[in-house]
Amino acid sequence: SQTIHQWPATLVQPVGSPLSLECTVEGTSNPNLYWYRQAAGRGLQLLFYSVGIGQISSEVPQNLSASRPQDRQFILSSKKLLLSDSGFYLCAWHRDRGNTIYFGEGSWLTVV
Amino acid sequence: AQSVTQPDIHITVSEGASLELRCNYSYGATPYLFWYVQSPGQGLQLLLKYFSGDTLVQGIKGFEAEFKRSQSSFNLRKPSVHWSDAAEYFCAVGPRGSSYKLIFGSGTRLLVRP
Repeated sequence: SQTIHQWPATLVQPVGSPLSLECTVEGTSNPNLYWYRQAAGRGLQLLFYSVGIGQISSEVPQNLSASRPQDRQFILSSKKLLLSDSGFYLCAWHRDRGNTIYFGEGSWLTVV
Repeated sequence: AQSVTQPDIHITVSEGASLELRCNYSYGATPYLFWYVQSPGQGLQLLLKYFSGDTLVQGIKGFEAEFKRSQSSFNLRKPSVHWSDAAEYFCAVGPRGSSYKLIFGSGTRLLVRP
């Protein structure tokens, strides 16, 4: 069966510091991968999606970037964090030609 | 514009009572429809989905949802709520043929009274 892992689960970072959140999917190949952000008390906002290695689409302009160095690995990064980057970040995937998105457990980021 | 509306931000029900969470969407054509549940501090778990066929779909944990094309609605129901159902519920829609741009509602937080 397929599984998705995100880490770290919780992160507290000072303003201006870098960020790296990692996501790995197991049990499938060539998944479509996504990063969503969920701000406190709000819905989900799609940040990035990727249909293959090195192929990243950004949905909203922001202080974050994403990379896909391997087929089943998706990384969310920032060079300098802002207070507004605080939130709950969710990685998700669906298999190629699939119709259902499955989510990881999420990563809590607090920028102080 | 494509959108999903969950008109109830919070809903409180007593344990054992029935539940209905509302979801309306605005979309160019009939999309794929989903309900997800999120427990505090957790990721989203798929409850059920509608692609085609029978408009009443069954999901996990005793939930069901009914697609009504004429009302552009996909309401979630459960006949008897358990305390463990307290969570946030998200309705989502996605284009047929690709789910990479799911549009989520803002969520409904369910509180369960003992």
